[in-house]
Amino acid sequence: AQRVTQPEKLLSVFKGAPVELKCNYSYSGSPELFWYVQYSRQRLQLLLRHISRESIKGFTADLNKGETSFHLKKPFAQEEDSAMYYCALKKGGGADGLTFGKGTHLIIQP
Amino acid sequence: GAGVSQSPSNKVTEKGKDVELRCDPISGHTALYWYRQSLGQGLEFLIYFQGNSAPDKSGLPSDRFSAERTGGSVSTLTIQRTQQEDSAVYLCASSKGRAGNTEAFFGQGTRLTVV
Repeated sequence: AQRVTQPEKLLSVFKGAPVELKCNYSYSGSPELFWYVQYSRQRLQLLLRHISRESIKGFTADLNKGETSFHLKKPFAQEEDSAMYYCALKKGGGADGLTFGKGTHLIIQP
Repeated sequence: GAGVSQSPSNKVTEKGKDVELRCDPISGHTALYWYRQSLGQGLEFLIYFQGNSAPDKSGLPSDRFSAERTGGSVSTLTIQRTQQEDSAVYLCASSKGRAGNTEAFFGQGTRLTVV
């Protein structure tokens, strides 16, 4: 079965510092990878997906199939980035459900 | 609005009682998911519906948990004989379910407290 691992429950960095939230997955096929974010008192929402190769709110994530990783990065953290971040995997090519990691609570200190 | 709607937003129940949680997905979305969110446990998959296929129930923690999806739209998650460890936020999400367009849209959740 597929699995998503986010090794850090909590990550605290100072404003302006680089941020990297780690995500590793296990799946033998070609998965679709996503990052979801939940800001305080808001709904969980999609931040970005690997197939789009886009940068959202300054965040990027590159799928590394060799290392089975999909780390989320931002060069300069902002206070409004404080939130819970979840990495998620969906088996490619089909209609199977999403598997989420346990989440990383990102705190940006002023 | 056109988002995923869940009701009630908050539910307090006594241990041993049954509860029903409702989810109205986005119209036209064939996939519907239920997750449980609790402190320290992250987002725990419960059940997944896709169109008319048999649901994936592999995440249901016990036989006290069940879910239905009527007419391919509204879903109800039922917890029988609730226990204190069932206290959590229950999230519903829906998506178009097709590969390449599989963003999941989440509801605001139902916060269940078992006392």
